[in-house]
Amino acid sequence: GNSVTQMEGPVTLSEEAFLTINCTYTATGYPSLFWYVQYPGEGLQLLLKATKADDKGSNKGFEATYRKETTSFHLEKGSVQVSDSAVYFCALSTTNAGGTSYGKLTFGQGTILTVHP
Amino acid sequence: KAGVTQTPRYLIKTRGQQVTLSCSPISGHRSVSWYQQTPGQGLQFLFEYFSETQRNKGNFPGRFSGRQFSNSRSEMNVSTLELGDSALYLCASRVGGSRNTEAFFGQGTRLTVV
Repeated sequence: GNSVTQMEGPVTLSEEAFLTINCTYTATGYPSLFWYVQYPGEGLQLLLKATKADDKGSNKGFEATYRKETTSFHLEKGSVQVSDSAVYFCALSTTNAGGTSYGKLTFGQGTILTVHP
Repeated sequence: KAGVTQTPRYLIKTRGQQVTLSCSPISGHRSVSWYQQTPGQGLQFLFEYFSETQRNKGNFPGRFSGRQFSNSRSEMNVSTLELGDSALYLCASRVGGSRNTEAFFGQGTRLTVV
């Protein structure tokens, strides 16, 4: 089956520090990979995505590269801000054995990020 | 452009009761998915509807059901509520059913079963 594994949290950083949140996946078919962010009391928002191997997704200073050889999609940001404090979810969506594409997202367990001034 | 709207935002129900949650997707979006979020299990997929048809279903008991109307609005129903059903229920809409398309999430319905 499909699964996503994220690094254990929580992660606590000082403002302007470098951020890496590791994500690896197992998937059948041809997965697309996503990072979603959830702020307190809110639903999830798409942060970035990559739909094929070697694609790099980027948004708001965050980046992640789809590495098929290592089945990874690590999230990075060069300089975090207090406003980046949130829960980050790695997720995938893929095809079934027959190649049919579905909207089902499989999520990692989430990583809580806290950034201090 | 209005986002995904879920109602109600909060619910308190008694064990054994049933509950119906509502989701209005973004205008023009035909795919609606439901997820359960709990501290212990994280985000788990319940089901997906596309053009009024259930396309995919997660590993939840039959007490969890859903439907989608011709205007793409969706409802999910949980019968015979158990304490373990307490969770944040999130609805997500997509313009199409492709794996590549972005899912837009509502703020969720916080269900507490007492």
